[in-house]
Amino acid sequence: DQQVKQNSPSLSVQEGRISILNCDYTNSMFDYFLWYKKYPAEGPTFLISISSIKDKNEDGRFTVFLNKSAKHLSLHIVPSQPGDSAVYFCAAQAVGNTPLVFGKGTRLSVIA
Amino acid sequence: DGGITQSPKYLFRKEGQNVTLSCEQNLNHDAMYWYRQDPGQGLRLIYYSQIVNDFQKGDIAEGYSVSREKKESFPLTVTSAQKNPTAFYLCASSSSRGNTYEQYFGPGTRLTVT
Repeated sequence: DQQVKQNSPSLSVQEGRISILNCDYTNSMFDYFLWYKKYPAEGPTFLISISSIKDKNEDGRFTVFLNKSAKHLSLHIVPSQPGDSAVYFCAAQAVGNTPLVFGKGTRLSVIA
Repeated sequence: DGGITQSPKYLFRKEGQNVTLSCEQNLNHDAMYWYRQDPGQGLRLIYYSQIVNDFQKGDIAEGYSVSREKKESFPLTVTSAQKNPTAFYLCASSSSRGNTYEQYFGPGTRLTVT
């Protein structure tokens, strides 16, 4: 049973436009959410995170929005650049030092 | 440079052989993790360890074994009992920062078993 779901396996966006990647979760015990970016044959790199006490966190071109009532979060990338083309994983963590639970990822392609 | 190293980058083995994947970190992190990635499956947790000499099974521990004798090292053995061992294996570590535990990943090892 998937606790973290990324329902879009892939997304294509034109360079300069906004990329919106979505993530849903089912476990109400999750209180911290993270986004990771992964290139082929490399380890994921941490991108941005948000605590459940917030509804928005921004870092440069990246913004994560959290809607707790809907158990939904999204990552916005503005403006999108070709170097953003990668697989993006949503992850969630419950209270306490528990392992992250990952979604299956969304492959973003930014077209020049 | 602080970080997580995994070796080797590519590993080939014959079916029926056990193989050990190395993971070392010099970040002074308490917790370490092993994941496997298969196409379309995301990252699935194999084993994790929150302190030395202790480890816990993850979602897909069958056919794998680990040890945590030192804080810096968390090797993973893929045994012959693992039915589908060919995959990309990722090691990660984490330490507390406030109440959150962001994980940092190594570069991965691609294991191919034929």
